[in-house]
Amino acid sequence: QVQLVELGGGVVQPGRSLRLSCAASGFFFSNHAMHWVRQAPGKGLEWVAVVWNDERNENYVDSVKGRFTISRDNSKNIVYLQMNSLRVEDTAIYYCARGKKAAKYYYGVDVWGQGTTVTVSS
Amino acid sequence: DIVMTQSPLSLPVTPGEPASISCRSSQSLLHSNGHNYLDWYVQKPGQSPQLLIFLGSSRASGVPDRFSGSGSGSSFTLRISRVEAEDVGVYYCMQALQRPTFGGGTRVEIK
Repeated sequence: QVQLVELGGGVVQPGRSLRLSCAASGFFFSNHAMHWVRQAPGKGLEWVAVVWNDERNENYVDSVKGRFTISRDNSKNIVYLQMNSLRVEDTAIYYCARGKKAAKYYYGVDVWGQGTTVTVSS
Repeated sequence: DIVMTQSPLSLPVTPGEPASISCRSSQSLLHSNGHNYLDWYVQKPGQSPQLLIFLGSSRASGVPDRFSGSGSGSSFTLRISRVEAEDVGVYYCMQALQRPTFGGGTRVEIK
């Protein structure tokens, strides 16, 4: 079955780095865009980043531009989120999500992982 | 960025009764291909979000037909024809036209 498993969360001090990974299985990985979406404690959902299936094109929410980098390895079916210069406000559950193939230049997602928790605290 | 506004914030419902949630966007979500780039998700307690409706009105795989999405341009509605206890959760709309943005969420609870 289609599955996304996130790893790499933890507690980190402000200004430090963390890399999240998301292992995909059960579908043709290289056919789909892959996204990261986060949810701060007790808050709603915030889209973070996307890497399109060609591995070259990416996009980010403004609050993480220049600090976070999304990448993918289509040979390993893994998507990464490198998070540098972490801030307290980056504290959240980070979900990996599969881009849904429904229309051209469509940012929707249809499968979500279980999430991994990132806590930025001194 | 496109701003998404949902209402109401909280929706107490009686099982078997209908319910509806409104979502408005700060700009049109109608793509030149004729599709509205608006999705609905639900996050049930303790779970990851799941897709309910995509492109404004298409039900995702496995979603019961009591869920329906309608609207076009910048005004959309999610309807539940007969609420069941398992429908409890927070419902989000999300625009998928540009860098995605979500509405603030509507908490559906049983009266």
